[in-house]
Amino acid sequence: DVKVTQSSRYLVKRTGEKVFLECVQDMDHENMFWYRQDPGLGLRLIYFSYDVKMKEKGDIPEGYSVSREKKERFSLILESASTNQTSMYLCASSSVGASNYGYTFGSGTRLTVV
Amino acid sequence: DAKTTQPNSMESNEEEPVHLPCNHSTISGTDYIHWYRQLPSQGPEYVIHGLTSNVNNRMASLAIAEDRKSSTLILHRATLRDAAVYYCILRDIRYGNKLVFGAGTILRVKS
Repeated sequence: DVKVTQSSRYLVKRTGEKVFLECVQDMDHENMFWYRQDPGLGLRLIYFSYDVKMKEKGDIPEGYSVSREKKERFSLILESASTNQTSMYLCASSSVGASNYGYTFGSGTRLTVV
Repeated sequence: DAKTTQPNSMESNEEEPVHLPCNHSTISGTDYIHWYRQLPSQGPEYVIHGLTSNVNNRMASLAIAEDRKSSTLILHRATLRDAAVYYCILRDIRYGNKLVFGAGTILRVKS
């Protein structure tokens, strides 16, 4: 079964810490995405990548950066975690082209910044 | 991005069909209609997508209006496991394959 795996299900970090959220997919997908989901605000796109070493800002990139050194891995980095970055983070991947069958999402990482 | 409009919530009885509507009056010719659902405490899950013709798969059917300004996701026999938030999304393949999620429809299934 194809998978998107997020390294942690729950994470608690302190304000000011540098935080790495890891995502790995085994489907050889070109595109990878990071979303955050908050009550009342829905899913919002942070960053996405359509190739190795390529990245594009989504709707809410401030306070985040990303890294994609290998096709299967897409990392989200919180340079200096703040309490307003407490959220559910969801990684997804997809293939290119109109005939693809959509995104595959991971199960999410619930990050709490204290 | 073209917008979609869905009801905030719907309720269904178990074993009965469910029709989840979506309006997208500003859809463009390159927009595909995608449906995803999100079960509690999980990431969204792809359900179905289409462009112009009705589509069927093992999970659901997608009925697309002739003018493409609306669509309906059909669950043929709702089960308790179908209780989720259902998102109708327009995906323009020209623009980096992004998916923009709206608020979706909360589907409650009664036993």
